[in-house]
Amino acid sequence: GNSVTQMEGPVTLSEEAFLTINCTYTATGYPSLFWYVQYPGEGLQLLLKATKADDKGSNKGFEATYRKETTSFHLEKGSVQVSDSAVYFCALFVGGGSNYKLTFGKGTLLTVNP
Amino acid sequence: ETGVTQSPTHLIKTRGQQVTLRCSSQSGHNTVSWYQQALGQGPQFIFQYYREEENGRGNFPPRFSGLQFPNYSSELNVNALELDDSALYLCASSLGVTGLNEKLFFGSGTQLSVL
Repeated sequence: GNSVTQMEGPVTLSEEAFLTINCTYTATGYPSLFWYVQYPGEGLQLLLKATKADDKGSNKGFEATYRKETTSFHLEKGSVQVSDSAVYFCALFVGGGSNYKLTFGKGTLLTVNP
Repeated sequence: ETGVTQSPTHLIKTRGQQVTLRCSSQSGHNTVSWYQQALGQGPQFIFQYYREEENGRGNFPPRFSGLQFPNYSSELNVNALELDDSALYLCASSLGVTGLNEKLFFGSGTQLSVL
């Protein structure tokens, strides 16, 4: 089956620090990969995505590269801000079925201190 | 602001009761999916509806059921509540069914507590 493994949290950083959140996956088929973010009291929002190997998704200073050889999609940001404090979810989608079902990791709580 | 609203935001029920959770999708979004997010876990796919028909289901028992209405609203019903049903329930809408380019719009969720 399909599964996503994220690094355990919580992650606590100071403002302007470098962020990496590791994500690896197992999939039957060729998945598309996503990072979603959940701010306190809000629903999930798509942060970035990559649909094929070596693609780099990017948004709001966050980046992740689809690495098929290591089955990974690590999230990075060069300089985090307090406003980046949220829960981050790595997710995958495998096509071929008739519904758009996402498989999520457990999430990583990021806290950025001023 | 995703344009997807869920009600109620919080709900407390006792074991064995039934519950109905509601979702209002963006206008024109024909697909709604429901996810269960237990504490400390990622969202788990419950099922999806497309144009009022169930279009796919995750590993949830039949006591989890749904309805989708022509006015872009939908419901998640859970019968015979169990303690393990305590979770955040998320609905997500999208224009179509499949596709790597389909963007899901999530609501803020309903926090269900079963005592």
